[in-house]
Amino acid sequence: ETGVTQTPRHLVMGMTNKKSLKCEQHLGHNAMYWYKQSAKKPLELMFVYSLEERVENNSVPSRFSPECPNSSHLFLHLHTLQPEDSALYLCASSQDSAGGYYEQYFGPGTRLTVT
Amino acid sequence: GQQVMQIPQYQHVQEGEDFTTYCNSSTTLSNIQWYKQRPGGHPVFLIQLVKSGEVKKQKRLTFQFGEAKKNSSLHITATQTTDVGTYFCAGRGEYGNKLVFGAGTILRVKS
Repeated sequence: ETGVTQTPRHLVMGMTNKKSLKCEQHLGHNAMYWYKQSAKKPLELMFVYSLEERVENNSVPSRFSPECPNSSHLFLHLHTLQPEDSALYLCASSQDSAGGYYEQYFGPGTRLTVT
Repeated sequence: GQQVMQIPQYQHVQEGEDFTTYCNSSTTLSNIQWYKQRPGGHPVFLIQLVKSGEVKKQKRLTFQFGEAKKNSSLHITATQTTDVGTYFCAGRGEYGNKLVFGAGTILRVKS
């Protein structure tokens, strides 16, 4: 619908597992973002990539590892997560190089549950 | 750092009543954006305001940017059940380089 797809849509993982979230944008945008959305909390910006280069890393624990192999794809690699990491993880893209001048297009999100 | 605050956090209105959410920034903004997230959905861009005192309308929705470019509001006239969701504002600081989101206002509409 918005040109940004995310897989999987739902994920349940144990604390010792390793998994990856995938995001793909079909809009020809230059910037891509990972956000965490927990219940009753504001959107938390995790990582920003501009032209495949990481430009923002908001003090995110090292158990979250992003990867941007090209301007259309973004991954979030997860390992040894904690139950408090359970949340909706949203990917977004925008036209500008992460300068905040253009609107962001969000994917449907991955609902992550850590058991 | 730049902070964007939204009030109220939550509002429950009767269908047909008006609704307003307010957004306040700790610093002057170069632009402000509004997004809507339906229950179970993801944020969807609604509009962007750039000029001081700017007012834009989308059907029953009216968006306003303050004269000092530090606050904004979204007003919905005669709410409908399709208006339910969380409304977020997001602003870019005048000298900043990223969009900062507010915590959102959750709107519930009783029919």
